[in-house]
Amino acid sequence: DTGVSQDPRHKITKRGQNVTFRCDPISEHNRLYWYRQTLGQGPEFLTYFQNEAQLEKSRLLSDRFSAERPKGSFSTLEIQRTEQGDSAMYLCASSSFPGVVNTEAFFGQGTRLTVV
Amino acid sequence: EDQVTQSPEALRLQEGESSSLNCSYTVSGLRGLFWYRQDPGKGPEFLFTLYSAGEEKEKERLKATLTKKESFLHITAPKPEDSATYLCAVHSFVPAGGTSYGKLTFGQGTILTVHP
Repeated sequence: DTGVSQDPRHKITKRGQNVTFRCDPISEHNRLYWYRQTLGQGPEFLTYFQNEAQLEKSRLLSDRFSAERPKGSFSTLEIQRTEQGDSAMYLCASSSFPGVVNTEAFFGQGTRLTVV
Repeated sequence: EDQVTQSPEALRLQEGESSSLNCSYTVSGLRGLFWYRQDPGKGPEFLFTLYSAGEEKEKERLKATLTKKESFLHITAPKPEDSATYLCAVHSFVPAGGTSYGKLTFGQGTILTVHP
């Protein structure tokens, strides 16, 4: 499978615990995005990496959230001290750096987080 | 700030009954408009990118069109397997001195149900 891979697919955690999600992008893609999606809504942008550099973060990304892409390949998203409001689908997407104006972003299957 | 509004929120069709989904957008300058399909519990699946007013793209029973203010996704003779949530997203230019990293702003989606 050469698509975007996310792990785990589902995570149930108790409030206050830390969780970490992993994303493996399409191998030749150097742009990586994290989005969050709640029920009945479209995905909302969280953060963006170009290679290993985190170049943009949304105001949605509180200081409890941290993302890394240490070698410009896979990425992790960590949520510390989880709250019930963090329950959502966390989506990772990747695209290639454009030689053209735009290139399509391809999404993984997402990690469904439930905070109880 | 970019805004994307999709209508209707939900659409029920009989198999073979053609219809259209609407995506209205407000952006500082459109770099690209994207359509995605999302099945329950899965990540969005890329369908089309449209770059300029008047552009059209087709894939099987789907046809996407673009004007300066909105995009339509036309579904011709739909089948039950076309049932899904259809998401529209925009990528916009940023003001002079800013940088665009390909961040997408999504609408809330249209839930399409096709009955046999």
